Amino acid sequence: KNEVEQSPQNLTAQEGEFITINCSYSVGISALHWLQQHPGGGIVSLFMLSSGKKKHGRLIATINIQEKHSSLHITASHPRDSAVYICAVRGMDSNYQLIWGAGTKLIIKP
Amino acid sequence: NAGVTQTPKFRILKIGQSMTLQCTQDMNHNYMYWYRQDPGMGLKLIYYSVGAGITDKGEVPNGYNVSRSTTEDFPLRLELAAPSQTSVYFCASSYKRGGDEQFFGPGTRLTVL
Repeated sequence: KNEVEQSPQNLTAQEGEFITINCSYSVGISALHWLQQHPGGGIVSLFMLSSGKKKHGRLIATINIQEKHSSLHITASHPRDSAVYICAVRGMDSNYQLIWGAGTKLIIKP
Repeated sequence: NAGVTQTPKFRILKIGQSMTLQCTQDMNHNYMYWYRQDPGMGLKLIYYSVGAGITDKGEVPNGYNVSRSTTEDFPLRLELAAPSQTSVYFCASSYKRGGDEQFFGPGTRLTVL
């Protein structure tokens, strides 16, 4: 079993829908990252969380440390949000390495 | 600032050939990383460096070598390329340790035939 599991693997939705992508992990962590990989391949960091909730524009990330679970929400989704969303965690015992999820491929149709 | 740059963008190698993937960052980051991404899979760490002159193996180092002679540059060397090394390679850097935000280069798509 992977230490970082994302669900769903693929998600197709209509423009305007509220989107939720989930990330569950099995190790103790000191930080969780959400990243976006554009269709062209580039990867950008969206959020880094260690507790609570963060918001940036239409994106909201939450984390529940006790439940070992994080969610990424997109409000008023738009076709330009189509991308692969990746969750990664820094384990308590790791100084430098991140444990990566396989990603969730999101397609927003106009 | 250009951020993290990688060259080349694409490359086709024959089995047994060697090549170096270049990575440069202009953010004065101490930490640099090389990842590979296979289709449908998560990123896997090949090597990382915590500063000039210091490198260490990641999860999948076999078949690769790195060096870090300057803060800016972190080249990845493939010796005796094999089809299993067909992948997309990403270089990344961060100011502090691995838990901090990582900045990624655009990637190099390598095919070994």
